[in-house]
Amino acid sequence: DAGVIQSPRHEVTEMGQEVTLRCKPISGHNSLFWYRQTMMRGLELLIYFNNNVPIDDSGMPEDRFSAKMPNASFSTLKIQPSEPRDSAVYFCASSPGANVLTFGAGSRLTVL
Amino acid sequence: DQQVKQNSPSLSVQEGRISILNCDYTNSMFDYFLWYKKYPAEGPTFLISISSIKDKNEDGRFTVFLNKSAKHLSLHIVPSQPGDSAVYFCASRGTSYGKLTFGQGTILTVHP
Repeated sequence: DAGVIQSPRHEVTEMGQEVTLRCKPISGHNSLFWYRQTMMRGLELLIYFNNNVPIDDSGMPEDRFSAKMPNASFSTLKIQPSEPRDSAVYFCASSPGANVLTFGAGSRLTVL
Repeated sequence: DQQVKQNSPSLSVQEGRISILNCDYTNSMFDYFLWYKKYPAEGPTFLISISSIKDKNEDGRFTVFLNKSAKHLSLHIVPSQPGDSAVYFCASRGTSYGKLTFGQGTILTVHP
């Protein structure tokens, strides 16, 4: 099992550009989570899906952020337009519905 | 509203001594608690957990204590090793689908 796979690992972009982060969860896991890590707030939940359906997106900071899960093996987090304050590490995690989440290695986003 | 708080941003300990990391929560509906460890450039990995029906859980050098009346949990590492140097996040579960609320993290440094 390759674990949760995220891409890209690093993204540097200019303010105003569109950013798309990708995630492949562990096969058989039916819950998928997007978290953002910042110094001030630690690991902050943005949105989570169960069986490909968004359950709670109350953590999505603004309308500039959107997430999709078109099938059980793929999810995207999109920021359009990006701003410097979006710079952070974005983690995807999946779970079989139990208590333990398995995280990917993260996507480090820098918006100049 | 930070429902899970780790008030110590960092902790420095000598090798062989005990490390104690603390975490406070405000939501009395949380019923399951976890600790994750994170190394640089990697995703958080699960370390140890405890259910709200217990007050202690031990796994090798790691022990988690839960004080429900105080809404406080702690992680003890004995003896501490340099390889334990990492960021430690506590997390709490209070809803379905495995959603976890994380604290800000504590950077542990174990000196040889």
